[in-house]
Amino acid sequence: DIVMTQSPDSLAVSLGERATINCKSSQSVLYSSSNENYLAWYQQKPGQPPKLLIYWASTRGSGVPDRFSGSGSGTDFTLTISSLQAEDVAVYYCQQYYSTPFSFGQGTKLELK
Amino acid sequence: EVQLVESGGDLVKPGGSLRLSCEVSGLTFSNAWMGWVRQAPGKGLEWVGRIKSKTDGGTTDYGTPVKGRFTITRDDSRDTLYLQMNSLKTEDTAVYYCNTDSLVRNIWGQGTLVTVSS
Repeated sequence: DIVMTQSPDSLAVSLGERATINCKSSQSVLYSSSNENYLAWYQQKPGQPPKLLIYWASTRGSGVPDRFSGSGSGTDFTLTISSLQAEDVAVYYCQQYYSTPFSFGQGTKLELK
Repeated sequence: EVQLVESGGDLVKPGGSLRLSCEVSGLTFSNAWMGWVRQAPGKGLEWVGRIKSKTDGGTTDYGTPVKGRFTITRDDSRDTLYLQMNSLKTEDTAVYYCNTDSLVRNIWGQGTLVTVSS
């Protein structure tokens, strides 16, 4: 099974500042024939189900603000929020869908400083 | 509007069984690949499994902790997804979410709570 490891576990950022969350997979999730990374990012707010933010490592989901961006390839990925808004306080998860069982990272809790 | 509504969560004793349902509306269910994800209280997300559409083979995949104990099925005539859970353990206690296994149209239900305790 592919193991996903996020860092840090928690992060405090001031309003308007940049937030960066990292995700590392135990093996590459880059599918060579398509040159796509099978990596997604989710946002989960308290009491709500997760919401898909990013897929294919860097494609924003429908309606996702452009302050959210994803980057990386192979085994190392980053979610960046360029200018933190109050509504971005949440837990963020990466997930690989390269091979089953699809696995999530442990989550990164993003708070306001 | 696409809606997924889970039901069937309950308190069950270790070793017991339970079946969850997920009723889907607002999309062509028979074409959808569907999945289950769970979240233990205060913990992170854990992938439970998924089922492909019948036209794509209707096959299932499961997470390692539930393989051999849980079974995902679908009834396209009722637009409903099921999760049959057998030999339940205390560590299966969680909120269980169903979702569309789709990147472009990724929709989740609100979840149903399963508590396994004696």
